[in-house]
Amino acid sequence: QVQLQESGPGVVESSQTLSLTCIISGDSINSDVFYWSWIRQRPGEGLEWIGYVHYYGAPLYNPSLRGRPIISVDPSKTQFSLSLSSVTAADTAIYYCAREQQDLLTGSRAFNSWGRGTLVTVSS
Amino acid sequence: DVQLTQSPSSLPASVGDRVTITCRASQDIRSYLNWYKQKSGEAPDLLIAATPSLQSGVPSRFSGSGSGTDFTLTISSLQPDDSATYYCQQYQNYPWTFGLGTKVEVK
Repeated sequence: QVQLQESGPGVVESSQTLSLTCIISGDSINSDVFYWSWIRQRPGEGLEWIGYVHYYGAPLYNPSLRGRPIISVDPSKTQFSLSLSSVTAADTAIYYCAREQQDLLTGSRAFNSWGRGTLVTVSS
Repeated sequence: DVQLTQSPSSLPASVGDRVTITCRASQDIRSYLNWYKQKSGEAPDLLIAATPSLQSGVPSRFSGSGSGTDFTLTISSLQPDDSATYYCQQYQNYPWTFGLGTKVEVK
């Protein structure tokens, strides 16, 4: 059974770059049905999809983040990462890494595995 | 972006009650809608994918229905463990979006 674990600093200074890593265990990162994703949740708010990386394709990002995120995969370490540049207080959130799986027969897609999340606070 | 409007935003109910949560999309998303359950302090957990497919291990009291713009999540007989916030999520159009959630409180 796949397990995902986020790691990274809990505090990032305003205007700096937030960097998080998600370590994958129990699964293969190089599958064509998996999209390795980052999702965040601001305190007391709902969920926001940041983007994903697919082993065989280009990453895709939420346009609302205005070109700030970069998601990359490191298959040799079975992990993927998020960098979010020029952070502000509005980026304070719990960041989740998640596996989105596509059903090749039906085309359905869903986030069926999640890390426990890591709180990142942007300090001024 | 596809906007998902959930109602109600909070829902107090008693054990054994039938509970219905609605999710309305701002445009046609066919059946490309998922439902998640998030307990306080935990990550979300997938309940229903591609309405109405119940995920393995999810109790049969949960069901999902709808297509196009109107969807519902029903809990047929509410149990104490169902206290959580429930989110819908669409994957018809990028960016994937979530509803703002419905907090179910078991009285």
